[in-house]
Amino acid sequence: QVQLQESGPGLVKPSETLSLTCTVSGGSMTNYYWSWIRQPPGKGLEWIGYIYYNGNTNSNPSLKSRVTISVDTSKNQLSLILTSVTAADTAVYYCARHPSAAEVFDSWGQGTLVTVSS
Amino acid sequence: DIQMTQSPSSLSASVGDTVTITCRASQSIRGYLNWYQQKQGKAPKLLIYSASKLQGGVPSRFSGSGSGTDYTLSISSLHPEDLGTYYCQQAWSGPVTFGPGTRVDI
Repeated sequence: QVQLQESGPGLVKPSETLSLTCTVSGGSMTNYYWSWIRQPPGKGLEWIGYIYYNGNTNSNPSLKSRVTISVDTSKNQLSLILTSVTAADTAVYYCARHPSAAEVFDSWGQGTLVTVSS
Repeated sequence: DIQMTQSPSSLSASVGDTVTITCRASQSIRGYLNWYQQKQGKAPKLLIYSASKLQGGVPSRFSGSGSGTDYTLSISSLHPEDLGTYYCQQAWSGPVTFGPGTRVDI
């Protein structure tokens, strides 16, 4: 059974860059899409973007200018970079798998809380 | 972007009750509607996909229906472990969007 695990700094200063990694174990990244989704404390879910195992990406237009998603299938990892962060980017960040571009998120990581604060 | 709304925003029910949650999209999403359950401090879990298909391992007391813009999630014979927040999500057009959630208390 596939498992996803997010990792990265829990605290980022305003205007700096947030960088997270999701490590996939128990399965291959091949033929799957991989998304980043975030959830501000006490609020709902926001889709950030996805990457296909071959490197094709798609991002939420609301974040597109600040988001980079990459994949390293040799390491079974995907990464998220979010630039110029503000307090509004404070959230639990999840990685999730979906079998097709029609996003049905069938496996999720446990999430990692990132706080933006000086 | 397609806007998703859910009703009610919260509900309280008893063990054994049947619970129904409604999700409405701002335009037709042609059945590309998924339901997730999130328990406190945990990641969401897929329950229903494509409006009515039960994800493997999910108890059969969960069911989904709907078409066009209107969808429902039903939980028959509510169990204590069903408490949590339920989200709908559309995957038809534009960026993926989620509903605001329905909190279910037992």
